[in-house]
Amino acid sequence: GIQVEQSPPDLILQEGANSTLRCNFSDSVNNLQWFHQNPWGQLINLFYIPSGTKQNGRLSATTVATERYSLLYISSSQTTDSGVYFCAVDRNAGKSTFGDGTTLTVKP
Amino acid sequence: SQTIHQWPATLVQPVGSPLSLECTVEGTSNPNLYWYRQAAGRGLQLLFYSVGIGQISSEVPQNLSASRPQDRQFILSSKKLLLSDSGFYLCAWSRARLNGYTFGSGTRLTVV
Repeated sequence: GIQVEQSPPDLILQEGANSTLRCNFSDSVNNLQWFHQNPWGQLINLFYIPSGTKQNGRLSATTVATERYSLLYISSSQTTDSGVYFCAVDRNAGKSTFGDGTTLTVKP
Repeated sequence: SQTIHQWPATLVQPVGSPLSLECTVEGTSNPNLYWYRQAAGRGLQLLFYSVGIGQISSEVPQNLSASRPQDRQFILSSKKLLLSDSGFYLCAWSRARLNGYTFGSGTRLTVV
């Protein structure tokens, strides 16, 4: 099956800093999503981005499907951004494969 | 708008007891439905998915089963829980295979 690798596994930032999270995948995909899992376990959909670039406030994401990677940018990070960020990909079967996540800690 | 409900939020069950977790979706019809499990500190593993009533696909051999008795209802069950069944169980839906997932709030199961 498809392999999904996220980096870095852990990231510690000072409030106000910027960061880039990466998701590499081993095969072509039709779907790619970024999720944020908050400390209570809730998975929040951030972006549905099989290709191109999208922005939502301080967050933006870019997927380069031909090179099999996606990047999630967080600017001016806040303590509420802390949590685990997951990338999930789907090869047109309706079943997403998740990476192991990047655990982000933003310190005040 | 569409919403997904999952309950209970937490559950502590003894080894060997049965399990039934329920997930319902509102505001849409014929959704794709999914059960995922997340072990502590790990990513999500797909357990079951369903594209319609009575249609269940299992992704990994395990002690669990799933059923879809109604269009917007997805149930995760076990006849006898094992310690290894402990984890965080998440239900999700998507409108079609090319649309993204929306997750429920999850059930944290501890088998003791």
